[in-house]
Amino acid sequence: AQSVSQHNHHVILSEAASLELGCNYSYGGTVNLFWYVQYPGQHLQLLLKYFSGDPLVKGIKGFEAEFIKSKFSFNLRKPSVQWSDTAEYFCAVNAYSGSARQLTFGSGTQLTVLP
Amino acid sequence: DSGVTQTPKHLITATGQRVTLRCSPRSGDLSVYWYQQSLDQGLQFLIQYYNGEERAKGNILERFSAQQFPDLHSELNLSSLELGDSALYFCASSVAEGTNYGYTFGSGTRLTVV
Repeated sequence: AQSVSQHNHHVILSEAASLELGCNYSYGGTVNLFWYVQYPGQHLQLLLKYFSGDPLVKGIKGFEAEFIKSKFSFNLRKPSVQWSDTAEYFCAVNAYSGSARQLTFGSGTQLTVLP
Repeated sequence: DSGVTQTPKHLITATGQRVTLRCSPRSGDLSVYWYQQSLDQGLQFLIQYYNGEERAKGNILERFSAQQFPDLHSELNLSSLELGDSALYFCASSVAEGTNYGYTFGSGTRLTVV
């Protein structure tokens, strides 16, 4: 079965700092990759997704992610974070597990941006 | 508002009790997924339904069951509740099963077992 690893559990940055959150997955087949964000007290929202083509994917709110197939990675980046980016970020892989596709989430990274 | 409706938003109940969580998927979505989010386990996939049929099972306990009704809403039944069942339960929906489009999540039901 596929798995997703997010190595940073909690990241604290000051406003305007650059952000990179790591995500590695283990799955040998074709995958679709996602980043979701969960603001305090809210539901998960899709930030960006990768299916095929250009490995550099741009999402909402200035976020982008790069798919590096050889490293099984899909890291999330933002050049300059804002206080409003404080949230929990989840990387997810949509791949076959048995006969059905499942969305498997990483354990999440809590981002705190200090004003 | 994501279009996925979950009720109730909060639920406090005692150990040993049974509760039912309800989810109405986004209009047009046929698949419903249930996830449990707890501090120690993260987001765990529980079960998936597509157009009324169970399609995939994840880490769902035998004390838990779910179903999807003809109008496509889904219910997650949790019985013989234990303290460790306290968590946020999310429902998500998608247009089709195995979709490449990602899921739309509801706001969750926070279950507290005391």
